[in-house]
Amino acid sequence: AQSVAQPEDQVNVAEGNPLTVKCTYSVSGNPYLFWYVQYPNRGLQFLLKYITGDNLVKGSYGFEAEFNKSQTSFHLKKPSALVSDSALYFCAVRDSGNAGKSTFGDGTTLTVKP
Amino acid sequence: DTEVTQTPKHLVMGMTNKKSLKCEQHMGHRAMYWYKQKAKKPPELMFVYSYEKLSINESVPSRFSPECPNSSLLNLHLHALQPEDSALYLCASSTSRTAYGYTFGSGTRLTVV
Repeated sequence: AQSVAQPEDQVNVAEGNPLTVKCTYSVSGNPYLFWYVQYPNRGLQFLLKYITGDNLVKGSYGFEAEFNKSQTSFHLKKPSALVSDSALYFCAVRDSGNAGKSTFGDGTTLTVKP
Repeated sequence: DTEVTQTPKHLVMGMTNKKSLKCEQHMGHRAMYWYKQKAKKPPELMFVYSYEKLSINESVPSRFSPECPNSSLLNLHLHALQPEDSALYLCASSTSRTAYGYTFGSGTRLTVV
């Protein structure tokens, strides 16, 4: 069975500093990895994905993620954090079969302080 | 149209009531999903519809009954719910191709009293 893990419940950074939100994965076969963001009382919004190709993928709102096959990681990064980036972030892996269902990590709350 | 629209946004219902949640998308996505989410927790998959057919039921109690009348609509019928069913119910859609992410609706905040 496929799974993702987000080892940190909470990440705190100062505005303007770089941020990293960690994710590790376990899949059989090729990984289809995604990051989503959720603001309070809203649904999840797609940020970026890794399917194949370059290990550094760029997404919405200045976010990027680095895929590392040897470490089975897919960490979310941003060079300069904004207060408005404060939200709940989920890493997910999508099954290539099984109706394409996605499995989500437990989520990481990012707080960016002014 | 790149949105998934869910109605109502908020719903309060008694344990003996019958209500329905509605989800609509016009992106041509042929896979649609119902998720249940408790506060600060990840979404939990309930049902998957693929090409209007139910393909996954994650052992959801029968008091939740999904329906997919056509490729754009997804309903979740609720009956005799329990207070612990109070949660944010999210609908999502996607292409059937694994390389694409989901588009989520904003959800229905359900409170069972």
